[in-house]
Amino acid sequence: QVTLRESGPALVRPSQTLTLTCTFSGFSLRASGMCVSWIRQPPGKALEWLALIDWEDDKYYSTSLKNRLSISMDTSRNQVILTLTDMDPADTATYYCTHMGGTAWYVDSWGQGARVTVSS
Amino acid sequence: DIMMTQSPPTLSVSPGQRATLSCRTNQSVSTNLAWYQQKPGRAPRLLIYDASTRATGIPARFSGSGSGTEFTLTISSLLSEDFALYYCQQFNNWPLTFGQGTKLEIK
Repeated sequence: QVTLRESGPALVRPSQTLTLTCTFSGFSLRASGMCVSWIRQPPGKALEWLALIDWEDDKYYSTSLKNRLSISMDTSRNQVILTLTDMDPADTATYYCTHMGGTAWYVDSWGQGARVTVSS
Repeated sequence: DIMMTQSPPTLSVSPGQRATLSCRTNQSVSTNLAWYQQKPGRAPRLLIYDASTRATGIPARFSGSGSGTEFTLTISSLLSEDFALYYCQQFNNWPLTFGQGTKLEIK
């Protein structure tokens, strides 16, 4: 059974860097086809895909946020880390860690989400 | 980026009736499309992938169809638990993109 859990600060000041950690179980990110992706959802708005890292350590980013995003993995700890620099109130959202596996990049498992508010 | 357009933004349907939700893309995504259901305060749930394949545990009243640029999610006979938000997502091209969602509400 795949489980994912997001952790990180609930409140971030504008211009600061957000670091979120996804701790997962039930799969190995070194196994062929495995991917972890981050998706966010501002309050009352649609889902927005942010970044993905795959079993070969290849990384993919949102076009609009690629200059501010970084995704990495620590396979020894079964963790994926997302950083988003220069935070703005518009980045206030629930951030989801997700699993995509097999042959295609759709989400088959979701974390519960981490609410992040950007405010001074 | 591939643009996803879902329609209508809100759909009002009576329980027991059929609901048809649309998702269009501005370029072909073949059948590389998924549908998700989201209830208030919850993470989304995968319903359909590869445009028409139901995910594990999804009831047969949910069906997906389409290819290329036009896709449909049909719920054949609505139950109270089906009233929720629905999103489509393409995974044919980077970056991955979602539609803006359709809210399915009780009429």
